[in-house]
Amino acid sequence: LAKTTQPISMDSYEGQEVNITCSHNNIATNDYITWYQQFPSQGPRFIIQGYKTKVTNEVASLFIPADRKSSTLSLPRVSLSDTAVYYCLVVGNNAGNMLTFGGGTRLMVKP
Amino acid sequence: KAGVTQTPRYLIKTRGQQVTLSCSPISGHRSVSWYQQTPGQGLQFLFEYFSETQRNKGNFPGRFSGRQFSNSRSEMNVSTLELGDSALYLCASSLAGTSIPDTQYFGPGTRLTVL
Repeated sequence: LAKTTQPISMDSYEGQEVNITCSHNNIATNDYITWYQQFPSQGPRFIIQGYKTKVTNEVASLFIPADRKSSTLSLPRVSLSDTAVYYCLVVGNNAGNMLTFGGGTRLMVKP
Repeated sequence: KAGVTQTPRYLIKTRGQQVTLSCSPISGHRSVSWYQQTPGQGLQFLFEYFSETQRNKGNFPGRFSGRQFSNSRSEMNVSTLELGDSALYLCASSLAGTSIPDTQYFGPGTRLTVL
């Protein structure tokens, strides 16, 4: 499974757009990029998943360049409640359900 | 639909004891995975069960075991507890069986403290 690298922490202010970039240089052809959010003492929550180009849902957007060696999670107009750890994962569609979590990015949203 | 439920939510045990944790997946989900989360090691995959069979296994000692019942509910067992087993144990369920990676839905976890 491809290893992911993302910033350890980020700070932002309420109302700003936050972009968290993840690198995954060894991503395989069948792999997807998936992001989870985790609040303290809770289980991770699925945010978004994509294979290439751009994916958008009601919560976030995911930008994936053509070479797929990196991806960017974009959170529009963050609020204090978006303070959490965000995990970028590379997931194969033939790996069963074995998620490999890295250290994640600890996002702190300030008032 | 009800989410993934885990029981108990909190547990305190002493070294050498054993413990059983329970997970009820979302209705209709056939895959159940277990993860251990500690401050030092982060989130680590333990094992996955699908149709009552272990499909994937992480790098944990044999003291960690699990099973899945015909209704997809799952249990994990840790025998001969060690201090290092203190962690948040998370269960995740998914539909399974599609060509696109399944979305996994996590429960709130069981906080195990070993004294």
